[in-house]
Amino acid sequence: AQTIHQWPVAEIKAVGSPLSLGCTIKGKSSPNLYWYWQATGGTLQQLFYSITVGQVESVVQLNLSASRPKDDQFILSTEKLLLSHSGFYLCAWSPGRGYAEQFFGPGTRLTVL
Amino acid sequence: GDKVKQSPSALSLQEGTNSALRCNFSIAATTVQWFLQNPRGSLINLFYLVPGTKENGRLKSAFDSKESYSTLHIRDAQLEDSGTYFCAADYNQGKLIFGQGTKLSIKP
Repeated sequence: AQTIHQWPVAEIKAVGSPLSLGCTIKGKSSPNLYWYWQATGGTLQQLFYSITVGQVESVVQLNLSASRPKDDQFILSTEKLLLSHSGFYLCAWSPGRGYAEQFFGPGTRLTVL
Repeated sequence: GDKVKQSPSALSLQEGTNSALRCNFSIAATTVQWFLQNPRGSLINLFYLVPGTKENGRLKSAFDSKESYSTLHIRDAQLEDSGTYFCAADYNQGKLIFGQGTKLSIKP
């Protein structure tokens, strides 16, 4: 069975500080991976997706970047946090290419002060 | 405007009653997913739909790609059905657009 793990569970960071959030998927080779952001009380917005190691496509620009250094790992980062980055970050995976069901990780809650 | 319009935005039900949630799409959705987000924030997969209908216990969902809408029916609502329901349309091989959500409260 596939498992998806996100770290950290929660972060409190200062404006202007760097950020790195991680996501690991186990039990599935060559998954498609996605990052989503959800403002408190809001809907989910897809930020990035990756279909293979080293390849990332940006869907929405929020002064964030993403990388896929390994087949099972997806990283979301920024060098300088903004207040608007606060929210809930979710990683998701889907099998293979094309249209497929997406499955979500437990999320990381980020508070920027 | 919103590419995925979800209604209603909030709903309060008595335990044991039925309800229907709806999503209208202004984009050409190829597949649709329905999720329940619990108070901790976890997204639970309810349905993955190509055009057609699926049923799972007290839940039933339909997706009509020609008329550009999807529905989620909840029968005999239980307290554990409380949470926020989201629909999401896939319009380009993995690019999901979510609706604004329906916050559902079930009262005993």
